[in-house]
Amino acid sequence: ETGVTQTPRHLVMGMTNKKSLKCEQHLGHNAMYWYKQSAKKPLELMFVYSLEERVENNSVPSRFSPECPNSSHLFLHLHTLQPEDSALYLCASSQDWDTQPQHFGDGTRLSIL
Amino acid sequence: DAKTTQPTSMDCAEGRAANLPCNHSTISGNEYVYWYRQIHSQGPQYIIHGLKNNETNEMASLIITEDRKSSTLILPHATLRDTAVYYCIVRVLNAGGTSYGKLTFGQGTILTVHP
Repeated sequence: ETGVTQTPRHLVMGMTNKKSLKCEQHLGHNAMYWYKQSAKKPLELMFVYSLEERVENNSVPSRFSPECPNSSHLFLHLHTLQPEDSALYLCASSQDWDTQPQHFGDGTRLSIL
Repeated sequence: DAKTTQPTSMDCAEGRAANLPCNHSTISGNEYVYWYRQIHSQGPQYIIHGLKNNETNEMASLIITEDRKSSTLILPHATLRDTAVYYCIVRVLNAGGTSYGKLTFGQGTILTVHP
């Protein structure tokens, strides 16, 4: 039980589809993160939210749209993705946006056809 | 954040201690050493962190050299479930500025625990 739950665990979608990834944390943390992990590459930070406000957008294409309706939930809305977007998408949380450690979910394995 | 160097892979027999080294010769005085691991098909898992004193928790022990230029993560009795990629990360506790919560994961050490 990691305290950070991601759904779905696996997602296959076409390039014209629209889908959303969901993350929920039960740790009472104020900060949440989206990371991308491609095969044989280190984790790449995508977005950081602190108290529902975005504090970091790490040069991510606009086809990825995050949403943080409250401090416990984080979404990543996907539309018009490319094959190179196939990856493991990880959500994490921490007490505050500038503190460690971070607690990760098990990720959503995304495959773009 | 200071750069770290870890061996690419290591093997360990089940029940024995696994000692994973990490070099961080450019570490600054306010930077902590963090260890995470990632088991196949799971997200990274926080293990332990320390500044200069040795640390121990229910998962592992962290030994930091006196000059803080290297450290060793010790899993005292490795099990098959400890097979994972282990990441050593050096960064400040509260980043502030433009670092936000960014964790810079390198390639890590692939630890294989065999029967």
